Amino acid sequence: AQKVTQAQTEISVVEKEDVTLDCVYETRDTTYYLFWYKQPPSGELVFLIRRNSFDEQNEISGRYSWNFQKSTSSFNFTITASQVVDSAVYFCALMGETSGSRLTFGEGTQLTVNP
Amino acid sequence: NAGVTQTPKFQVLKTGQSMTLQCAQDMNHEYMSWYRQDPGMGLRLIHYSVGAGITDQGEVPNGYNVSRSTTEDFPLRLLSAAPSQTSVYFCASKSGTAYSNQPQHFGDGTRLSIL
Repeated sequence: AQKVTQAQTEISVVEKEDVTLDCVYETRDTTYYLFWYKQPPSGELVFLIRRNSFDEQNEISGRYSWNFQKSTSSFNFTITASQVVDSAVYFCALMGETSGSRLTFGEGTQLTVNP
Repeated sequence: NAGVTQTPKFQVLKTGQSMTLQCAQDMNHEYMSWYRQDPGMGLRLIHYSVGAGITDQGEVPNGYNVSRSTTEDFPLRLLSAAPSQTSVYFCASKSGTAYSNQPQHFGDGTRLSIL
C-alpha cells in the first residue's frame, strides 16, 4: 500500500513571503515516482514536477524549488517570494512500481497568498 | 491543442438517474483514468484503462462502469446515481505504458451534483 500525507490543510501568507508545502509519503517500493500538481481556483490540475526515487537532487524552477529526502520520505515544495497568482490547492502524488499504474494523491494544501 | 476534453462541465441529476461522463484525448495515449475529488480527500482513482479493450478497477469503483472501445475515448457511466456520488470528476491520460513515469494530463473536470 502507498500513502501520501500533506499535513498542512491550509496556509495563508502575505505576498513576497517564502512558503514551504510539506509532503510525506509511504511506500514499500524501491522504485517510485513523486509528483506535484497545482489546482488554481479555476479548477484544472496542472502538472508541476516529477521526481524518481533514485534522483535526490533538488530542483529549482524559477521561484519554485523541491527538496526530496528519502531518509525522511519527504518531498517538500517551496515557493520563494510568493505572489497572489500562486494561490491554489497543491497536491503531492506518488506512484510505486508495484502499485500498477495507480497514482495516490495527498489531501492537498490550500495556499492563499494575500496582497 | 485539445489535450483531454471532458463533457459536460456541470450536471445535476436526481437520485436513481443514469448518465455518462465523456472523456476524449487527442494525444494517442494508451493509458487513461478517472478520478473523483471530494473535499479533504484529494483525488481517488475510480477506474483506469491501459489500452483499448482493457479496463480495471481503482480505489473506489463501486457504482461506476467504464469501457474503452477506442484509444481516444474513455466514458464513465453512473448506472443509478446516488447522493454519495456528488463530486468533481477528472479524466486523465498519460503517454507510455501504464507503468511509465510520465505525468498524467488532466481534463478540466465535471462537477456533478446528485439530488
